[in-house]
Amino acid sequence: GNSVTQMEGPVTLSEEAFLTINCTYTATGYPSLFWYVQYPGEGLQLLLKATKADDKGSNKGFEATYRKETTSFHLEKGSVQVSDSAVYFCALKRLGGADGLTFGKGTHLIIQP
Amino acid sequence: SQTIHQWPATLVQPVGSPLSLECTVEGTSNPNLYWYRQAAGRGLQLLFYSVGIGQISSEVPQNLSASRPQDRQFILSSKKLLLSDSGFYLCAWSTTGTGGQYFGPGTRLTVT
Repeated sequence: GNSVTQMEGPVTLSEEAFLTINCTYTATGYPSLFWYVQYPGEGLQLLLKATKADDKGSNKGFEATYRKETTSFHLEKGSVQVSDSAVYFCALKRLGGADGLTFGKGTHLIIQP
Repeated sequence: SQTIHQWPATLVQPVGSPLSLECTVEGTSNPNLYWYRQAAGRGLQLLFYSVGIGQISSEVPQNLSASRPQDRQFILSSKKLLLSDSGFYLCAWSTTGTGGQYFGPGTRLTVT
């Protein structure tokens, strides 16, 4: 079946540091890949997505590239801010299906001023 | 633009009591609808999804059920709550294709 693996953290960084959150997946075929962000007490917000190999999703300074050869979709940001503190989820969606997303367990990111 | 609503925002219920959580979507027609549960410190678990009125697919056998009485309304129910039903319940919608799912604000359920 499909699965997503990501570092759980917490990951603690200083403001303006470089961020990488690793995500690898197992899936049949070519799924779509997503990063979601969840702030305390809130629902999930779609951060970025990529739908085919070598696509790069980007939003709010965050980037992730769909790497089919390494089955990875690592999240990066060049300079983090305190406001980026949240839980980040990597997820995949089976191609062509209406069924749900498969999520990783989430990575808690803490940015210190 | 599309919006998704969930209510109530928080709920405290005793073991054995019934449950009804509601989700509605505005600004889109014939969406795919989803219920997820997020237990403390864990990822999201898909509970149910629906591709149309009256069409429900269950992902995990349990004492919960879902219904879709209208195109943009999705209801999560239980006849008798268990302690293990505590968690954060999230509703989401999507359109068929490669796009993502869009989540509501969630309902925090505590079963005591």
